[in-house]
Amino acid sequence: GNSVTQMEGPVTLSEEAFLTINCTYTATGYPSLFWYVQYPGEGLQLLLKATKADDKGSNKGFEATYRKETTSFHLEKGSVQVSDSAVYFCALTQYGNKLVFGAGTILRVKS
Amino acid sequence: GAGVSQSPRYKVAKRGQDVALRCDPISGHVSLFWYQQALGQGPEFLTYFQNEAQLDKSGLPSDRFFAERPEGSVSTLKIQRTQQEDSAVYLCASSRVGETQYFGPGTRLLVL
Repeated sequence: GNSVTQMEGPVTLSEEAFLTINCTYTATGYPSLFWYVQYPGEGLQLLLKATKADDKGSNKGFEATYRKETTSFHLEKGSVQVSDSAVYFCALTQYGNKLVFGAGTILRVKS
Repeated sequence: GAGVSQSPRYKVAKRGQDVALRCDPISGHVSLFWYQQALGQGPEFLTYFQNEAQLDKSGLPSDRFFAERPEGSVSTLKIQRTQQEDSAVYLCASSRVGETQYFGPGTRLLVL
């Protein structure tokens, strides 16, 4: 079956540091890939998405590129802020059906 | 516009009680999904509706879990004879068919 694996956290960074959160997936065919974010006390929000190979999703300074050859969708940001502290979830779906999520990565940014 | 809403936001139940969790999707969204999120884990799929039809219920963990969407809008997830292992956050999401899912704030269920 389909699955998503993301790097374990927590990831602790200083403000303005570079962020990478690794995500790899297993799926048949060509899934759509997503990053969702969960801020403290809030619900899941879509951060960015990519629907086909080599697509780059971007939002709020975050980027991720759909790499079919490595089955990866790593999340990056050039300069993190304290307000980026949250839990980040990588997910996939096929045919617009159910989402399959990774376990989540806690990001803590210190000032 | 209004997002997905869920009620109650918090529910404490004694073991063996029945609970009902409500989801109001975004207006016009045909697809509705329920997920269960255990503490420290990612959400896991429970069931999926397209309009009033329940097209996939493969994620429901036992026959104590039941979901309905009788008029193709509001959905209710019912858990009968709750057990401690049912304690989790229950998330509802809605979407247009095949498009991005938007999540509600969740209902946090604690079974004592």
